[in-house]
Amino acid sequence: QAVVTQEPSLTVSPGGTVTLTCGSSTGAVTSGHYPYWFQQKPGQAPRTLIYDVYNKRSWTPARFSGSLLGGKVALTLSGAQPEDEADYYCLLSYGGARVFGGGTKLTVL
Amino acid sequence: QVQLVQSVTEVKKPGASVKVSCKASGYTFTSYGIVWVRQAPGQGLEWLGWISASNGNTNYVQKLQDRVTMTTETSTSTAYMELRSLRSDDTAVYYCARGINTVATAPGDYWGQGTLVTVSS
Repeated sequence: QAVVTQEPSLTVSPGGTVTLTCGSSTGAVTSGHYPYWFQQKPGQAPRTLIYDVYNKRSWTPARFSGSLLGGKVALTLSGAQPEDEADYYCLLSYGGARVFGGGTKLTVL
Repeated sequence: QVQLVQSVTEVKKPGASVKVSCKASGYTFTSYGIVWVRQAPGQGLEWLGWISASNGNTNYVQKLQDRVTMTTETSTSTAYMELRSLRSDDTAVYYCARGINTVATAPGDYWGQGTLVTVSS
């Protein structure tokens, strides 16, 4: 099974910009991996933020955006808010089966 | 409104089986797939598999293929995930989630509240 890698932790200042990335052990991440991003706060179920690289759900704040970046998929948060402090997970497709990354703990400080 | 309501907490002994339910409401059940995800205590998310609610097609994570079965019951708009030969490392919160369509194998929008399954002797 492929391994999906994410930064274990990142810190961003309030109002700042941070980019989380997601890579694959099999090579460059492409739109064919149908990447998703999820946000999870303590004690809550995850929430889907982005699907298929850059598509947002209706509840996804405009400050979040998705892209492909240097062979990885990226989630950029522009203008971080205290409520954005959470764990973020990416999910890639490998022929229909899916693999989560290990998650990034984002601190807004 | 769309809701996915899961069954309550389960405590099982090693070697037993568990069947978690996920009752959907607020939408046409057969128009979307259901995805199952678990999260061990203090750990990350793990994709377990997907089932099409329209035709019952499934796709399971390879490591669980011989122990997991996902089914749906369209008459009650309920999805089920059965896991057999339980081990202590199956202890986790199990989530169901709706895909964005009938064939997407990822959680697209709505999630259940989670079901804690504890495996302990």
